[in-house]
Amino acid sequence: AQSVAQPEDQVNVAEGNPLTVKCTYSVSGNPYLFWYVQYPNRGLQFLLKYITGDNLVKGSYGFEAEFNKSQTSFHLKKPSALVSDSALYFCAVRGPSGNTPLVFGKGTRLSVIA
Amino acid sequence: ETGVTQSPTHLIKTRGQQVTLRCSSQSGHNTVSWYQQALGQGPQFIFQYYREEENGRGNFPPRFSGLQFPNYSSELNVNALELDDSALYLCASSLVAGGYYNEQFFGPGTRLTVL
Repeated sequence: AQSVAQPEDQVNVAEGNPLTVKCTYSVSGNPYLFWYVQYPNRGLQFLLKYITGDNLVKGSYGFEAEFNKSQTSFHLKKPSALVSDSALYFCAVRGPSGNTPLVFGKGTRLSVIA
Repeated sequence: ETGVTQSPTHLIKTRGQQVTLRCSSQSGHNTVSWYQQALGQGPQFIFQYYREEENGRGNFPPRFSGLQFPNYSSELNVNALELDDSALYLCASSLVAGGYYNEQFFGPGTRLTVL
């Protein structure tokens, strides 16, 4: 069965500093990995995905994520955090088979302090 | 191109009642998935529809059922509501083509409160 772990419930970072939100996963076969962001009382917004190819993927709003197969990790990063990045971030994984579901982590709340 | 829309935005029901939530997929998408997001939790997969047939289901009882229509819009029906059904219900659509599953795009959700 697929699973995702986001070990930090909350990450605090000063504006302008780099940020990292951690994610590890477990899946049979090659993973399809995703990051989504959720603002209060809103649905999820897609940030980026890894399917295959370069281990460093770039996404929306200056975010990027690094796929590490040996560590089964897919950490979200941004070189310089903005106050407007404060939100709830979800990592998700699905297996390569057609109808396997998208499994989400429990989320990490990012707080960027001015 | 319109995004994923859901209705209603909010809903209050009492235990034992039935509810229907609706979703319009993003233009060009042929697959819809439904998720339940309890307060403080990540979304939990309920089921997925592709070409009007359910082709994946999470760990939810049969009183959770759905439909996908020819225009790829969808409904989630929940019978015999329980207090624990109170949650944000999210619909997501995606394009499946050539066996390739693209990323899912989410609607704003329906907040269901069961009293």
